[in-house]
Amino acid sequence: NAGVTQTPKFRILKIGQSMTLQCTQDMNHNYMYWYRQDPGMGLKLIYYSVGAGITDKGEVPNGYNVSRSTTEDFPLRLELAAPSQTSVYFCASSYSGLRQDGYTFGSGTRLTVV
Amino acid sequence: DQQVKQNSPSLSVQEGRISILNCDYTNSMFDYFLWYKKYPAEGPTFLISISSIKDKNEDGRFTVFLNKSAKHLSLHIVPSQPGDSAVYFCAASVSSGGSNYKLTFGKGTLLTVNP
Repeated sequence: NAGVTQTPKFRILKIGQSMTLQCTQDMNHNYMYWYRQDPGMGLKLIYYSVGAGITDKGEVPNGYNVSRSTTEDFPLRLELAAPSQTSVYFCASSYSGLRQDGYTFGSGTRLTVV
Repeated sequence: DQQVKQNSPSLSVQEGRISILNCDYTNSMFDYFLWYKKYPAEGPTFLISISSIKDKNEDGRFTVFLNKSAKHLSLHIVPSQPGDSAVYFCAASVSSGGSNYKLTFGKGTLLTVNP
């Protein structure tokens, strides 16, 4: 099983550009999440989804949008990129509710906005 | 407001010795706690968890202790191995309507195990 797959792994954006970070999971997990990790900081929740067609804001949603049209995919959209969005972005998924093994994370997308 | 705190940014131990990583939390509603391990350029991977109804959970070389009255948990690694060198994140969750799924993470502690 591939688990959680994120693309791209690296990206450099210019201020004001937009992009979509892709996330796909093949574990039939209902719950999916987007986190960002800034240097020396913990992971902060951007958006999450409890199932196809259902999304909700996390702790730091400003500047981002998400959609969940299928169980497998949970893309994160950045509109009008800003330097403050320079970060490493992690997508994760989990079974309905938290089992003892928590989330499965992707390997991350390192984004730099210049 | 940081609800999950890992006050030690780094820890260095000798191979074979015990590593103790600490985590404090402020939200008394947290009832499920997890530790994740992260290598550079990889996503975090699950290590061990504990429910608030327990005070200890053990899995091989890894043991997590929970002190609810002190709102403190710790991860013990015995014996420590060079391959344990990584960033360790503490995370916590609140059960809501019987389904707990959103995790709050600490900033992480970089563990270095020296041969």
